[in-house]
Amino acid sequence: DTGVSQDPRHKITKRGQNVTFRCDPISEHNRLYWYRQTLGQGPEFLTYFQNEAQLEKSRLLSDRFSAERPKGSFSTLEIQRTEQGDSAMYLCASSYSNSPLHFGNGTRLTVT
Amino acid sequence: AQSVTQPDIHITVSEGASLELRCNYSYGATPYLFWYVQSPGQGLQLLLKYFSGDTLVQGIKGFEAEFKRSQSSFNLRKPSVHWSDAAEYFCAVGGATSGTYKYIFGTGTRLKVLA
Repeated sequence: DTGVSQDPRHKITKRGQNVTFRCDPISEHNRLYWYRQTLGQGPEFLTYFQNEAQLEKSRLLSDRFSAERPKGSFSTLEIQRTEQGDSAMYLCASSYSNSPLHFGNGTRLTVT
Repeated sequence: AQSVTQPDIHITVSEGASLELRCNYSYGATPYLFWYVQSPGQGLQLLLKYFSGDTLVQGIKGFEAEFKRSQSSFNLRKPSVHWSDAAEYFCAVGGATSGTYKYIFGTGTRLKVLA
């Protein structure tokens, strides 16, 4: 069990650029979640996958955000045309069926 | 709709004192309940979970929590706080509703420990 791995740890980008984050879950975990966390707030649900199927996406998530989990293993989260309001910590978590979520250390995005 | 309320944004206790962090939830079915802890710049670490059965659950680092269905609460307790417990604590609720497994987090309680 090597834990949930996220890459990169930090990303600084200019407004309007596209960014992509990667998450490698714990190998036997079938569910993978993306959350966003801003300073002083709890993690906000973005989307989750069961195997390769994206089962739910937050209504708060704009069309600029897209996530994939093509082979049911790693996942990517892409943000197109970034805005300053996208600056946050993006957290990935995984679980096996109904087990608790295991979180990675996150990717901190700063949009300048 | 699922929701979690943590009424205390900040709590300060002296080292060695007891601690109780409050969590209230709204959920349409039998909830799964969790407490996580987060140190600065880190991900969230699971402290304890409640799925069913005994309403008093024990976790890591000497923490415990009690599920009270009638009060829709899942408060976290520790009898004697250590300086290393200073961190942010999040309550979460989730489980199967409408065929999905989504987990909702509260806004957190930041714990400060005085020496």
